Amino acid sequence: EVQVVESGGGLVQPGGSLTLSCAASGFTFHDYWMTWVRQAPGKGLEWVAAIKGDATAKNYVDSVEGRFTISRDNAENSLYLQMSSLRVEDTAVYYCARAGAPWAFDYWGQGTRVTVSS
Amino acid sequence: EIVLTQSPGTLSLSPGERATLSCRASQSISSTYLAWYQHKPGQAPRLLIYGASSRATGIPDRFRGSGSGTDFTLTISRLEPEDFAVYYCQQEASSFGGGTKVEIK
Repeated sequence: EVQVVESGGGLVQPGGSLTLSCAASGFTFHDYWMTWVRQAPGKGLEWVAAIKGDATAKNYVDSVEGRFTISRDNAENSLYLQMSSLRVEDTAVYYCARAGAPWAFDYWGQGTRVTVSS
Repeated sequence: EIVLTQSPGTLSLSPGERATLSCRASQSISSTYLAWYQHKPGQAPRLLIYGASSRATGIPDRFRGSGSGTDFTLTISRLEPEDFAVYYCQQEASSFGGGTKVEIK
């Protein structure tokens, strides 16, 4: 059974840093692009970042470019999102998802909540 | 940057009725790149349709995707109680539309 489980969310002050993790199981992790998507309170879904199976390509939404870093450890079947210079507007539930369908995300985790507040 | 605009913002319908959701792109996109998701509060989003019209694994055939170019549609033929949720379109595995909430009338 395919599973992705996020962890690492919490409360952080503006300007602070946080690293999110996503543990994947039930599939050949290195074969798939993986992605992070977030949902701010009362808002819709926003794609944040994606990384190719072999980590040779990474993409980011403009609003996090230079502040967030997506990475993966294929030996550990894990995906990460290092977030720095956090802003209040980064407050959201962050979802990890597998890009397993053509240009679409077929398996999602339950999300981890990040709150940026003083 | 391609912007996806979904309409209406909210659709109030009764179980058994037909739902028609629209997703319009600011410029033409390949049908290959258009996906639809269902999202309920407190749950993980669920992939419904990819490639504009292909149903994802396990999705009932009352969900149908169609369209091309700049105009795409998700149709739910007969609403079941579990279909009341927010629906998002997405292009090229990146940006999402603003969502359409399907609520019980």
